[in-house]
Amino acid sequence: AQTVTQSQPEMSVQEAETVTLSCTYDTSESDYYLFWYKQPPSRQMILVIRQEAYKQQNATENRFSVNFQKAAKSFSLKISDSQLGDAAMYFCAYRRYKDYGGATNKLIFGTGTLLAVQP
Amino acid sequence: DVKVTQSSRYLVKRTGEKVFLECVQDMDHENMFWYRQDPGLGLRLIYFSYDVKMKEKGDIPEGYSVSREKKERFSLILESASTNQTSMYLCASSFSGYSSYEQYFGPGTRLTVT
Repeated sequence: AQTVTQSQPEMSVQEAETVTLSCTYDTSESDYYLFWYKQPPSRQMILVIRQEAYKQQNATENRFSVNFQKAAKSFSLKISDSQLGDAAMYFCAYRRYKDYGGATNKLIFGTGTLLAVQP
Repeated sequence: DVKVTQSSRYLVKRTGEKVFLECVQDMDHENMFWYRQDPGLGLRLIYFSYDVKMKEKGDIPEGYSVSREKKERFSLILESASTNQTSMYLCASSFSGYSSYEQYFGPGTRLTVT
């Protein structure tokens, strides 16, 4: 069974600084998706960034980038130039690549990292 | 914009009551999901539906049932609410298939059972 681990329950960063959130996962599959989701205090969960395991290039979305280390099964999120609006709970998630149907489509989530941004 | 809406943001119910949580999506998604979110546990899948009237159990289905009579609507039912079902409930939806990587989430329902 696949598992996702986020070992940092809480993190804090100064505005305009850079912060890295850690995520490790365990799987025996070679193809899969990895995601970072953001859940602000208003609770609507939104997708921040995704990575396909077959792509060697690290994904980037504006100030958000990932460091994907497939052999190490590590998937960290770097937030550059942190802003007050980045304060949220961040979840790392895994999904199988192949659609076997049914609940195999499900996302497997880590326990989350609560990020505080200090002005 | 994809929209997933949930019937209530906050709900307070008594032990033993039957509780309905409703979720509606407007993107014609095949897949719909109910998750439960608890501190320190992340999100756990309760039930999943891949088509009208079709459902599958997730990781923690005990004490819950679901209904999907229309494609856009997916209901979570607590037949007899208990205090250990106090939690945040999140609904999500997605297309099916290889490219269906993104799930879109509703705002959540904070349920308190007293």
